Amino acid sequence: RKEVEQDPGPFNVPEGATVAFNCTYSNSASQSFFWYRQDCRKEPKLLMSVYSSGNEDGRFTAQLNRASQYISLLIRDSKLSDSATYLCVVMPNAGNNRKLIWGLGTSLAVNP
Amino acid sequence: DTAVSQTPKYLVTQMGNDKSIKCEQNLGHDTMYWYKQDSKKFLKIMFSYNNKELIINETVPNRFSPKSPDKAHLNLHINSLELGDSAVYFCASSQAGQGAGRNEQYFGPGTRLTVT
Repeated sequence: RKEVEQDPGPFNVPEGATVAFNCTYSNSASQSFFWYRQDCRKEPKLLMSVYSSGNEDGRFTAQLNRASQYISLLIRDSKLSDSATYLCVVMPNAGNNRKLIWGLGTSLAVNP
Repeated sequence: DTAVSQTPKYLVTQMGNDKSIKCEQNLGHDTMYWYKQDSKKFLKIMFSYNNKELIINETVPNRFSPKSPDKAHLNLHINSLELGDSAVYFCASSQAGQGAGRNEQYFGPGTRLTVT
């Protein structure tokens, strides 16, 4: 089983749609969780950290389910500018090695 | 006021050459990273330094040598470049610890290396 798994997509949705991505992780002791977005030929940019109680930032909502070892990202009222690859990222431990484990990303295309 | 900067942005060179990429962050972070993203878009960690100390050293050919003169800078030197080294190299930084904002990595714009 991969350490971090995502459905690569692509997800094609119309503007205004609600879309959700899931990501599973294998290490039950994982400490920190993030969603990043990466536009074509650009660097990954932090979208949001994912907290145990779930968190929301505008149209974006992230949830963590430790029992089932998955995190999710919900995008409401999709905009054309949301088209990007969304990367699920997990930090397995809080020790001196702060290595992040990256998913391969889920591609989203929002269409007019 | 760029947070994480890298130079050069593009690098085209021939096989066998030696080249360096520089990275600087002005976020006051204590940890810096080098990643490689190949044509398949997989983001692979190469190295990480915390306060100038190497803490992550993945399985990378020893032709790649990182150097951190201080905690705001992390450079990558590559000897005897090979075709397979062609990729985008990203520098990133983060602040270690527990709590909100910790361990969030911020990336530079990338260096697109093409070896011919």
